[in-house]
Amino acid sequence: GAVVSQHPSRVICKSGTSVKIECRSLDFQATTMFWYRQFPKKSLMLMATSNEGSKATYEQGVEKDKFLINHASLTLSTLTVTSAHPEDSSFYICSATDSAGANVLTFGAGSRLTVL
Amino acid sequence: KQEVTQIPAALSVPEGENLVLNCSFTDSAIYNLQWFRQDPGKGLTSLLLIQSSQREQTSGRLNASLDKSSGRSTLYIAASQPGDSATYLCAVRNYGQNFVFGPGTRLSVLP
Repeated sequence: GAVVSQHPSRVICKSGTSVKIECRSLDFQATTMFWYRQFPKKSLMLMATSNEGSKATYEQGVEKDKFLINHASLTLSTLTVTSAHPEDSSFYICSATDSAGANVLTFGAGSRLTVL
Repeated sequence: KQEVTQIPAALSVPEGENLVLNCSFTDSAIYNLQWFRQDPGKGLTSLLLIQSSQREQTSGRLNASLDKSSGRSTLYIAASQPGDSATYLCAVRNYGQNFVFGPGTRLSVLP
């Protein structure tokens, strides 16, 4: 079945630094990748949608200069949290879908970001 | 704008019980609906995907049904086990749009 790998699973950084999270589709070509943020005991909040080779589409209220998304290939998308602050601490999850008819959404295991 | 709700928010049952989780959506013109399981601090695992033309899908002890006209889907879990304890999320996708997630149902199956 489709597998999405997300790395790192946990990261702790100092306030003001930037952190990059990678999302890879291992056995399929992900034409579209999604980035979500999840607060404790809450559901997923879509941050942005990225299509390979084009700029990401950000949801209302999400700062594009804060959360940089790159989808340079059909198997890799990255989320960079720039100048991270403690309020950026959260669980970030990526998902990917291919162009097949079923459009099943496959998720990565998530990345826990803690900003000190 | 599609809105998805899930009832109940939390559920605690003894092992062996059959149970039903509910998902409701406001816009019935959906492309598909997907049920996920999330363990604490983990990503989401896909359980069942129902296309708009389908009425139900089954996988092992799980059965998901879809009634587009009433904007509802149910996830039926038979003979529940402690290992089924997790948060269950439904996600709805409309044509040309992104998935919209419900808030989830936190299930605890007591041994």
